Amino acid sequence: DAKTTQPNSMESNEEEPVHLPCNHSTISGTDYIHWYRQLPSQGPEYVIHGLTSNVNNRMASLAIAEDRKSSTLILHRATLRDAAVYYCILRVYNQGGKLIFGQGTELSVKP
Amino acid sequence: NAGVTQTPKFQVLKTGQSMTLQCAQDMNHEYMSWYRQDPGMGLRLIHYSVGAGITDQGEVPNGYNVSRSTTEDFPLRLLSAAPSQTSVYFCASSYKDRGRRFFNSPLHFGNGTRLTVT
Repeated sequence: DAKTTQPNSMESNEEEPVHLPCNHSTISGTDYIHWYRQLPSQGPEYVIHGLTSNVNNRMASLAIAEDRKSSTLILHRATLRDAAVYYCILRVYNQGGKLIFGQGTELSVKP
Repeated sequence: NAGVTQTPKFQVLKTGQSMTLQCAQDMNHEYMSWYRQDPGMGLRLIHYSVGAGITDQGEVPNGYNVSRSTTEDFPLRLLSAAPSQTSVYFCASSYKDRGRRFFNSPLHFGNGTRLTVT
């Protein structure tokens, strides 16, 4: 299964930008990069996904390296409600689109 | 739309009992899946389905059965519950994009079922 590597934890200050890195060196050309987050005691929540180009939505931006071996989730202004575990996952073409979660990055936000 | 609905929210079982965790979605999603999450850990895929009548195993399928007789429902059956199956269970679904692919669409998760086996 295609794997991703993320730091176990990161800290941020409120109202500052946060850059969450993810390495996926074994990515194939048709694999999509997905990001989800999980707030305490809740189910995972979709954040953003992309293939090659950078993507923006109301929650975040996704910057994808030119060689696609890494990506960065950008929260433009962290709030206390953004404290969560963030998962970077590859959704793989030849595996029926199944998603295998890794350990994720636990983001804490300081006021 | 209600989205992905899981029932029950909480369940306590004794070792050896059987039960079915229900998952229903009203978004006409073809893809459905079950995950379990143990304390302090990420989610592990149990079983998934790419459409009615089609199921496949994930990372940790042992002790669980699934079937998919309709697009809307994807129940997870525990045949003989064991304490090792104490966990939070999440159901998730997604659609096929215009190219008839799953991997370009987000997963929608339910709120989970917290299961304790004593």
